[in-house]
Amino acid sequence: DSGVTQTPKHLITATGQRVTLRCSPRSGDLSVYWYQQSLDQGLQFLIQYYNGEERAKGNILERFSAQQFPDLHSELNLSSLELGDSALYFCASSAEGPGGTGNTIYFGEGSWLTVV
Amino acid sequence: DAKTTQPPSMDCAEGRAANLPCNHSTISGNEYVYWYRQIHSQGPQYIIHGLKNNETNEMASLIITEDRKSSTLILPHATLRDTAVYYCIVRVVGGNNNDMRFGAGTRLTVKP
Repeated sequence: DSGVTQTPKHLITATGQRVTLRCSPRSGDLSVYWYQQSLDQGLQFLIQYYNGEERAKGNILERFSAQQFPDLHSELNLSSLELGDSALYFCASSAEGPGGTGNTIYFGEGSWLTVV
Repeated sequence: DAKTTQPPSMDCAEGRAANLPCNHSTISGNEYVYWYRQIHSQGPQYIIHGLKNNETNEMASLIITEDRKSSTLILPHATLRDTAVYYCIVRVVGGNNNDMRFGAGTRLTVKP
């Protein structure tokens, strides 16, 4: 158990809909990361937050957005869903922020999203 | 972050050592080498990391060449449960951007 909690574990929704995935980082971790893993794309970095502020952006679509709240949990919002958004979405956390050295990123077990 | 090159797949006999290579010839002085593995759609699991010295923990050993352009992850006594995709990642630590980017990894199959 990494200590990173993601909900829901499974979600099925229709095209055009909007969903929210939730992540609780490990206790004390200030950085949260979101990744997408689809069958043909591997693990793609989406976005990182540190202590409530966006820190790095990867291959995140404009239809997707994220935020990190004062209690450090994070949500990934996916809107106008398409069939191709079906994937496993991972959240990860680390204690590290700017200026840190070598702190490890720990992953949750993921949220399976199926768009039908 | 520097890119890494790993063989797409490897086999290993159960009980034998698994040696997984990784090339990172453009690694910078402030980049660490990290290894993770992913067992069939589970969350990636941290294995080990290092900067320039060899490292060992309860899971594995990490050997980094003196010029830091390549490394080898060693699982000393592979079991069937070690079958997974292994990712070698180089990552800047410190500064404003310390996210981690995954490549395709090596699919290790441990055979009885």
